[in-house]
Amino acid sequence: AQSVTQLGSHVSVSEGALVLLRCNYSSSVPPYLFWYVQYPNQGLQLLLKYTTGATLVKGINGFEAEFKKSETSFHLTKPSAHMSDAAEYFCAVSEDNDMRFGAGTRLTVKP
Amino acid sequence: GAVVSQHPSWVICKSGTSVKIECRSLDFQATTMFWYRQFPKQSLMLMATSNEGSKATYEQGVEKDKFLINHASLTLSTLTVTSAHPEDSSFYICSARDNRAAEKLFFGSGTQLSVL
Repeated sequence: AQSVTQLGSHVSVSEGALVLLRCNYSSSVPPYLFWYVQYPNQGLQLLLKYTTGATLVKGINGFEAEFKKSETSFHLTKPSAHMSDAAEYFCAVSEDNDMRFGAGTRLTVKP
Repeated sequence: GAVVSQHPSWVICKSGTSVKIECRSLDFQATTMFWYRQFPKQSLMLMATSNEGSKATYEQGVEKDKFLINHASLTLSTLTVTSAHPEDSSFYICSARDNRAAEKLFFGSGTQLSVL
């Protein structure tokens, strides 16, 4: 069965700094990979997803992630953090009919 | 760590029957729980926000009479798919927000529903 590991439950960056949220997965078949964001008092929102094709995926709000099969990773990045990016981020993997989530990473953005 | 138990993990039913899915927070209280649906190879879709002691808030396009949500206690929310049809076959997953740390969200393991 597939699984996801998010390294670092908390990440703190300064406004304008690079954001890097790490995600590693295990899957027995080529996976579908997702990043979701949860803002306070809201449900999950899809940031981006990888299915097939180009390994660098661009999402909303300036985020992107790169699928690296050799490293079984799907790290999320953003060149310049904004205060509004403070939220909880979840990486997820889906093989076909289900989805498994990482434990989440809390992103804090300092002024 | 905090655990959310979702039951059953698999269910197969006949068309026209109703199916109840339970989402239970095992070691924390959750005033708010979320129900999601996932079609194969697609992202999650938020169906509704379940609040203990009050009516659930449904997302646009989700039939509240079709998908009944009951959040009767701080540790249990149920989703009942009424008069299920094959198009309701999907993967349903719940998540619960820990009252002690409202920003923290925990997920159930999901329920695969197949309607024949």
